[in-house]
Amino acid sequence: QQPVQSPQAVILREGEDAVINCSSSKALYSVHWYRQKHGEAPVFLMILLKGGEQKGHDKISASFNEKKQQSSLYLTASQLSYSGTYFCGTELGSGGSNYKLTFGKGTLLTVNP
Amino acid sequence: DAMVIQNPRYQVTQFGKPVTLSCSQTLNHNVMYWYQQKSSQAPKLLFHYYDKDFNNEADTPDNFQSRRPNTSFCFLDIRSPGLGDAAMYLCATSRAVLETQYFGPGTRLLVL
Repeated sequence: QQPVQSPQAVILREGEDAVINCSSSKALYSVHWYRQKHGEAPVFLMILLKGGEQKGHDKISASFNEKKQQSSLYLTASQLSYSGTYFCGTELGSGGSNYKLTFGKGTLLTVNP
Repeated sequence: DAMVIQNPRYQVTQFGKPVTLSCSQTLNHNVMYWYQQKSSQAPKLLFHYYDKDFNNEADTPDNFQSRRPNTSFCFLDIRSPGLGDAAMYLCATSRAVLETQYFGPGTRLLVL
C-alpha cells in the first residue's frame, strides 16, 4: 500500500518554510524520510516509530501522528541545499525479518535564491 | 570511506543479453535490498536478503534474480533485459529491520 505524499511539488525562496505530508490508509509501524538529489542515491533523514513522536536535526524536523496515520516533514528557513525530491517510506505491521519499506511518489522541493 | 558500493555506475546492454549488477558493503549489515527506480518515480523494492534468507516481492518479474554469496556482496541478475527494464538500480543495506537504510550510488541501466 503506497503512501500518499503531498504536495507533489513546491517552490520556495531561500529562507522560507515548507511542510511535506505523508499519509497512509493503513496502520503504520514506522515512517522513514529520505531526500534524493537528481542523479544521486537517496539519503536518510530520519525515522519515526509508532507511538507518536517528533524528531529533528538542524532545521529539518518531522512528526508522526499515529491516529491519523500521517507523518509531516518540516523544513524551516530553507537553504539552497534542501532542494531535491523528498520520499517518505512506510512500514506496515510489526516488523520482523520480512520487513518492507514502501515509498511514496515523492515531493519535489526547489529552493531558489 | 564509501560504505555501499555499486558497480558499474553505468551499464549499457542489448535487448535480451544477460547483465549482472553488483553491490558490496563495508558496514557488515545483515540486510541488503535491491530497488528499481524509474525516472521521476519512487524506488520500488525488488527483493531483499536478511542474512541468507531471501525475500522476493510478489510483483518482481522472474527475469530478475539475486545472489548473496556472503555478507558483503549481493548481485542482481537480469536474465533477459527488456526495454522496460531500463532504470536506476539501487542497492541498500541496514543493520537490522526497521533501521536506517544506507543506499549506494546506484547503477543506471540502459537497454538498447
